[in-house]
Amino acid sequence: GQQVMQIPQYQHVQEGEDFTTYCNSSTTLSNIQWYKQRPGGHPVFLIQLVKSGEVKKQKRLTFQFGEAKKNSSLHITATQTTDVGTYFCAGQPGNQFYFGTGTSLTVIP
Amino acid sequence: NAGVTQTPKFQVLKTGQSMTLQCAQDMNHNSMYWYRQDPGMGLRLIYYSASEGTTDKGEVPDGYNVSRLKKQNFLLGLESAAPSQTSVYFCASGNTEAFFGQGTRLTVV
Repeated sequence: GQQVMQIPQYQHVQEGEDFTTYCNSSTTLSNIQWYKQRPGGHPVFLIQLVKSGEVKKQKRLTFQFGEAKKNSSLHITATQTTDVGTYFCAGQPGNQFYFGTGTSLTVIP
Repeated sequence: NAGVTQTPKFQVLKTGQSMTLQCAQDMNHNSMYWYRQDPGMGLRLIYYSASEGTTDKGEVPDGYNVSRLKKQNFLLGLESAAPSQTSVYFCASGNTEAFFGQGTRLTVV
């Protein structure tokens, strides 16, 4: 079954509100990656975190990797309609990528 | 600048029919992957290949076979299609991040 779980499954926010999705792995990960999939599209790589406790920012997006390298979060500040899509985390316990179940974000204008 | 190319984009099969999904990458990646995406299930790994000539089972390999005869190609075969295999299939390649194809929407009736 899934080694990487993600919550929530769905999130509806008003434009301008913040949004956070959480990713949890049953095993220690060598790294965690985040992808975004627009409706009808394919997943696109956003970022990779490698170090324990690492925090990275991309404009309004903040990514964190937990100290134990088993969990991660993506936080979006002041959502915009362009943020709509499904956000996936992916862990690499070995050579392959195991994806989380994804969080579908809807932004209400 | 093709990246990862999947064919076909859409396919309808009758139960019991067989078919092969094609995937080609021009980025000289060693690793290639096949995923299926179903609502609420995220991206589940079917098979992956760490290098030309090698393949390994992922989370949901039953009913599928793969071949990696050339480094740039990874083929996914459905031996005897079943309605449960109705899904969107994504091929990906990459060693440190996954680059996805556009997807194949398969319906088995």
